[in-house]
Amino acid sequence: QSALTQPASVSGSPGQSITISCTGSSSDVGSYNLVSWYQHHPGKAPKLMIYEVSKRPSGISNRFSGSKSGNTASLTISGLQAEDEADYYCWSYAGSGTFVGFGGGTKLTVL
Amino acid sequence: EVQLVESGGGLVQPGGSLRLSCAVSAVSGFTVSNNYMTWVRQAPGKGLEWVSLIYSGGHTYYADSVQGRFTISRDYSKNILYLQMNSLRPDDTAVYYCARYDPAEVLFDYWGQGTLVTVSS
Repeated sequence: QSALTQPASVSGSPGQSITISCTGSSSDVGSYNLVSWYQHHPGKAPKLMIYEVSKRPSGISNRFSGSKSGNTASLTISGLQAEDEADYYCWSYAGSGTFVGFGGGTKLTVL
Repeated sequence: EVQLVESGGGLVQPGGSLRLSCAVSAVSGFTVSNNYMTWVRQAPGKGLEWVSLIYSGGHTYYADSVQGRFTISRDYSKNILYLQMNSLRPDDTAVYYCARYDPAEVLFDYWGQGTLVTVSS
């Protein structure tokens, strides 16, 4: 069982917005602005989408955004597209030499 | 562009051993010894699971599920990251990915395509 809790699934129609939550604790998500998000299509390498809570790597669409409130980080995808259908995982810093692992993952279905 | 290529996966019996490799192909001097490198796996129907990490300075860390059975290491001359897996169990069956970990921004930025390990009799 992951220390970071995500909903198992979310869904939305093309063009809509969805939000995926990642709930940790005051020892990880709540203490550091060091949450990253990964998109994973089956059979492919995971891809970094967001880091440091809300920053986007070069080449990532501005349809992807991140935020944090207390012990919960969130990934929002606006203007849903078919290719956004994938699994999404969060990761949080938890202190030097401490690794709490990935969130349990959220399957996004674009209806 | 940094490319990570895993190899060494396959079918192994419970209790057996396997060594995975992660070769680095880079235009600009990316070396496994100068970076934090990690292994992540995904069992069938399950999510991503962090397995192990090695700091550039050599410190190693392991998930509880593999502690004492798996060993992460690197070959400086060949620029290869390894994962030695011993006492394998059926629940170690997974696709194993190597990735680079950026400790400053706390992210995994370069990933390989993965290699499948199946533990079964």
